[in-house]
Amino acid sequence: AQRVTQPEKLLSVFKGAPVELKCNYSYSGSPELFWYVQYSRQRLQLLLRHISRESIKGFTADLNKGETSFHLKKPFAQEEDSAMYYCALMQGGSEKLVFGKGTKLTVNP
Amino acid sequence: EPEVTQTPSHQVTQMGQEVILRCVPISNHLYFYWYRQILGQKVEFLVSFYNNEISEKSEIFDDQFSVERPDGSNFTLKIRSTKLEDSAMYFCASSIGRSPLHFGNGTRLTVT
Repeated sequence: AQRVTQPEKLLSVFKGAPVELKCNYSYSGSPELFWYVQYSRQRLQLLLRHISRESIKGFTADLNKGETSFHLKKPFAQEEDSAMYYCALMQGGSEKLVFGKGTKLTVNP
Repeated sequence: EPEVTQTPSHQVTQMGQEVILRCVPISNHLYFYWYRQILGQKVEFLVSFYNNEISEKSEIFDDQFSVERPDGSNFTLKIRSTKLEDSAMYFCASSIGRSPLHFGNGTRLTVT
């Protein structure tokens, strides 16, 4: 069965520091991978998806099939990046998103 | 920007009662979903709905659950006889194609 693992429940960095939120997945096929973000008291929002290969709000994520990872990175964290971040996987032929448990990022001033 | 809207934001019900959670998906979207998140746990898929029928459901989505799109705008989740373990945040989502999903703000269901 497919699984998404986010090993860090909490991550705290200082403003301006680089940040990396880890995501590993287990799935034998070719998955579609996403990062969703939930700011305080707001809805889950799509941050980025691997097939777009774009950078949103300075965040990037590269799919590494060899390591089955899709880590989210930002070179210089901002206070407004503080939020819950969820990695999610959608397998081919399915409409189901499988989520990780989420990482709460806190960016301190 | 259009949004998925969910009502109510918080629903309290007694064990054994029926509840209906309501969602208005984004108007030109074709796929509709329900997810739930029990406090402290993962967001879990419940069901997807396309072309007026359930296209996929999880093992959580048993006979106590049903979904309906009664008109052109609403998408509802009914829990026939609520249990304590149904207490969770329920998220509705919609999408044009299979992805990406646009989520609502959620309904917090508390079963007492």
